[in-house]
Amino acid sequence: DAGITQSPRHKVTETGTPVTLRCHQTENHRYMYWYRQDPGHGLRLIHYSYGVKDTDKGEVSDGYSVSRSKTEDFLLTLESATSSQTSVYFCAISESNGGLRQPQHFGDGTRLSIL
Amino acid sequence: AQSVTQLGSHVSVSEGALVLLRCNYSSSVPPYLFWYVQYPNQGLQLLLKYTTGATLVKGINGFEAEFKKSETSFHLTKPSAHMSDAAEYFCAVSSSRGTSYGKLTFGQGTILTVHP
Repeated sequence: DAGITQSPRHKVTETGTPVTLRCHQTENHRYMYWYRQDPGHGLRLIHYSYGVKDTDKGEVSDGYSVSRSKTEDFLLTLESATSSQTSVYFCAISESNGGLRQPQHFGDGTRLSIL
Repeated sequence: AQSVTQLGSHVSVSEGALVLLRCNYSSSVPPYLFWYVQYPNQGLQLLLKYTTGATLVKGINGFEAEFKKSETSFHLTKPSAHMSDAAEYFCAVSSSRGTSYGKLTFGQGTILTVHP
């Protein structure tokens, strides 16, 4: 398995509280991604990073922010959690090889419940 | 813009039978196509990919898929299902260039059930 660790693996919190999820990689890959998985929607891209301090929005970025201060860590923050953000969150990493972007490899996910 | 449609949210087969999971895509530029598998409480694992070249691609666990540009399809097949194939399968597309390069758009997933 690709060296990707997501923490925490499970979290229950209340509406209005801040939440930060961490993705840590040991592969030194340049690209990192945050997705959410919801039934009937597959996975949807929240934010991604193409290098340290270089991030951009994905398809469902409202209510989320990210930071990447080191190559190995990509943080996803819910500033004020809402029940609609209850989901399973996946981190993914990828690299380029000869200019060709390699397939993404996924972490095991964080199950987040917001009550 | 890019999108993926997986036909059938649930597919049920008998052990030993052919597995066919359908995927159609839309992309304004030549696509890169992927199939991922997800076992319960786990992340996604890459089964196979198409980028360029041979349109019939072989993946892990005996799966293969064929890129058909004229039909905008990338269906996943396996000649003989095994109980261990029971999982959820996701088709995904990425553009080969432009602003969507490297970003995956997923289908909604197909749950495969294998009966003894």
